[in-house]
Amino acid sequence: GENVEQHPSTLSVQEGDSAVIKCTYSDSASNYFPWYKQELGKGPQLIIDIRSNVGEKKDQRIAVTLNKTAKHFSLHITETQPEDSAVYFCAASIKGGGADGLTFGKGTHLIIQP
Amino acid sequence: SAVISQKPSRDICQRGTSLTIQCQVDSQVTMMFWYRQQPGQSLTLIATANQGSEATYESGFVIDKFPISRPNLTFSTLTVSNMSPEDSSIYLCSVEIGTDTQYFGPGTRLTVL
Repeated sequence: GENVEQHPSTLSVQEGDSAVIKCTYSDSASNYFPWYKQELGKGPQLIIDIRSNVGEKKDQRIAVTLNKTAKHFSLHITETQPEDSAVYFCAASIKGGGADGLTFGKGTHLIIQP
Repeated sequence: SAVISQKPSRDICQRGTSLTIQCQVDSQVTMMFWYRQQPGQSLTLIATANQGSEATYESGFVIDKFPISRPNLTFSTLTVSNMSPEDSSIYLCSVEIGTDTQYFGPGTRLTVL
């Protein structure tokens, strides 16, 4: 089955700086890659996603890049703010293949230092 | 997106008992999923629940331990049976909107003593 590796496990950046979280996946058939933000005591919130026919996607301060050949994808947050502090999870799945559940990475605890 | 609610939000249970968790969504959806998030860990898919068919369980999860119902397109239940302390986790339901986007409920925080 699919295996998703996520790094780093903890990331501390100064407010206003950029943060980058990286994930790799093992199954070349995976074609959908969402990112979730989870705040303490809450369920995961979808923040951005990318499909395998696209190399990059941007939404305001958040961007995701995908390299299908290398089987890795990354989350980029620019101009970080205190409210960006949370745990971020990457995930992968095979859509349309009858196996639509998500395989998650282990998560990155992002800490924004004021 | 979708508005998803879960009941209960949290519970403390004795070992050997069972707890049924409810998941309600504000629109009709074909695919619903149940995940487990152990303390400080990532999310692991338990099963996929499609209306009108038996739930499909992932490796390591069995129907006798985690029976699931999906009576209609807006509701599902997950039962955690014969609980042990190892079952202490957050249990999350999610729904698929469109072709692939999953939205999660707030979770049910279960502690087993």
